[in-house]
Amino acid sequence: GQNIDQPTEMTATEGAIVQINCTYQTSGFNGLFWYQQHAGEAPTFLSYNVLDGLEEKGRFSSFLSRSKGYSYLLLKELQMKDSASYLCAAMDSNYQLIWGAGTKLIIKP
Amino acid sequence: GAVVSQHPSWVICKSGTSVKIECRSLDFQATTMFWYRQFPKQSLMLMATSNEGSKATYEQGVEKDKFLINHASLTLSTLTVTSAHPEDSSFYICSAPQGEGHFQYFGAGTRLSVL
Repeated sequence: GQNIDQPTEMTATEGAIVQINCTYQTSGFNGLFWYQQHAGEAPTFLSYNVLDGLEEKGRFSSFLSRSKGYSYLLLKELQMKDSASYLCAAMDSNYQLIWGAGTKLIIKP
Repeated sequence: GAVVSQHPSWVICKSGTSVKIECRSLDFQATTMFWYRQFPKQSLMLMATSNEGSKATYEQGVEKDKFLINHASLTLSTLTVTSAHPEDSSFYICSAPQGEGHFQYFGAGTRLSVL
């Protein structure tokens, strides 16, 4: 079956770095997405990886290893506004997104 | 970037009534749109895939007669929750894919509360 695993909750300190891991199993693969979702709001797109390696975009970076079915989202210089849920989603061969349950990130001062 | 508009953002209704939610792609055409439901502290659950000019594809366990989907044009899909009950209270989100990467652009979501 198709499955996405990511931690339920993580806590980090303002100004620090945090890495959110995601492992996936899908029927075919057309890329790995990370979305940020604040409470009561729709998800907003953060990153997309389809090739192995690291994609850097400002304070956020995303890494993919297709052979390991593994991705991580790296957040640097954490700010209080980064407190949110981070959703990992893999796109299967039918271009359908398979969603993880989300990782709730709590930032402490 | 592409914009998807979803309306209304919040609706409160009485049990037994029907509620219609609209999802519009504002600056691109979408032959497919996705409808999700999200309960508190849970991830997005795909309910159905809306197909322009044909019937929607429903996920297992989703009642077709209760959640009516219409995709009458290339920019508009609607979800109607018929005979709503308190257990239907949830956050409903639509999305539309665009571009070669099939990026999904999300509407702002509709919070439905059934009394």
